[in-house]
Amino acid sequence: EPEVTQTPSHQVTQMGQEVILRCVPISNHLYFYWYRQILGQKVEFLVSFYNNEISEKSEIFDDQFSVERPDGSNFTLKIRSTKLEDSAMYFCASSEIGRPYNSPLHFGNGTRLTVT
Amino acid sequence: EDQVTQSPEALRLQEGESSSLNCSYTVSGLRGLFWYRQDPGKGPEFLFTLYSAGEEKEKERLKATLTKKESFLHITAPKPEDSATYLCAVPSAATSGGSYIPTFGRGTSLIVHP
Repeated sequence: EPEVTQTPSHQVTQMGQEVILRCVPISNHLYFYWYRQILGQKVEFLVSFYNNEISEKSEIFDDQFSVERPDGSNFTLKIRSTKLEDSAMYFCASSEIGRPYNSPLHFGNGTRLTVT
Repeated sequence: EDQVTQSPEALRLQEGESSSLNCSYTVSGLRGLFWYRQDPGKGPEFLFTLYSAGEEKEKERLKATLTKKESFLHITAPKPEDSATYLCAVPSAATSGGSYIPTFGRGTSLIVHP
């Protein structure tokens, strides 16, 4: 069964450094998402992406964050200058074309980001 | 503001002891309700979608039901391998645009003891 893959599984970085989290969505999916989950808290929406542009973003997704689809398969989340509070599990997800708001999301297993 | 509330936060069951998890929502115009299972250190795994009141979906020991205000995930004769966090999500209106974003509840952490 096709799956969403994320790399790395764990990233440790120092405060102020830039990080790039990578995702390969399911190949025939056209809607892409980043969510994050701080330890013990709920899964929070960051950004959605369709047709090579951001379709929605949350208040969390400020100027320090950016997303890109550099080629036909990868989808990346960049944090320009990490803060301690960015420590969380970051999940990439994708869904099929059609009506994205009622298509189930398929998640990767996440990247655990630790900012020291 | 759209809200998704799950209860209980945590549930401990003995193997074979059936129970139900609740997801209540306040959205204007439900556009589907989703149940996911999340194992520790993993991403959420899709279980069910429900679209209209009265609808039911089943998968092995799990059955999801939907009313106009809430959804239940019934677990019949659970096994230890059913231990996980169960998440509920509904599409809620995005503040920045005209589309909808899958919004998650805090989940119910289920532990099934052998």
